[in-house]
Amino acid sequence: GAVVSQHPSRVICKSGTSVKIECRSLDFQATTMFWYRQFPKQSLMLMATSNEGSKATYEQGVEKDKFLINHASLTLSTLTVTSAHPEDSSFYICSAELAGVSYEQYFGPGTRLTVT
Amino acid sequence: GQSLEQPSEVTAVEGAIVQINCTYQTSGFYGLSWYQQHDGGAPTFLSYNALDGLEETGRFSSFLSRSDSYGYLLLQELQMKDSASYFCAVNQAGTALIFGKGTTLSVSS
Repeated sequence: GAVVSQHPSRVICKSGTSVKIECRSLDFQATTMFWYRQFPKQSLMLMATSNEGSKATYEQGVEKDKFLINHASLTLSTLTVTSAHPEDSSFYICSAELAGVSYEQYFGPGTRLTVT
Repeated sequence: GQSLEQPSEVTAVEGAIVQINCTYQTSGFYGLSWYQQHDGGAPTFLSYNALDGLEETGRFSSFLSRSDSYGYLLLQELQMKDSASYFCAVNQAGTALIFGKGTTLSVSS
């Protein structure tokens, strides 16, 4: 099946610093990738839709200047959390659609971000 | 608004059958998906229903009734490894999935 990787799997950073999370589709091309965040024992909340070669579409309430998304190639999307605060600590998960199979998304293993 | 409702917790014993219900209210609908997520892991795809009826995949089956905005996931012959969170999610064309809040299934011996 299709594989999506994320890097890093865990990161601890200090308040005020920025953190970049990479999401890669390893064996397929993904024109669309999605970024979610998940708090403990809660559901996945969509943050933004990342389209290759164009600007990301952010969900209501998500600050686009704080969560920078870049989808520079068909296999890579990045999420940069800028000026991180402790409340940004969460589990960030990306997913990708397989072209032609729009109902199934393949999720990365997630990145656990802790801001101290 | 858009919402998906599913029970927060379900408990069962090994070998039993469990049904997790999901009702939804969304502005667009192409189909209903089910995902499994173990603690600390990524969601993995279980099944998808675009049309009314039952889809069977091994021990797991999923059902959809579009007229009732209702679906369920049926897990048979439960095993300890089935202990996880199960999310129903609505597929909207051209957009990401809208997830329910998840059902935590605990399977005991």
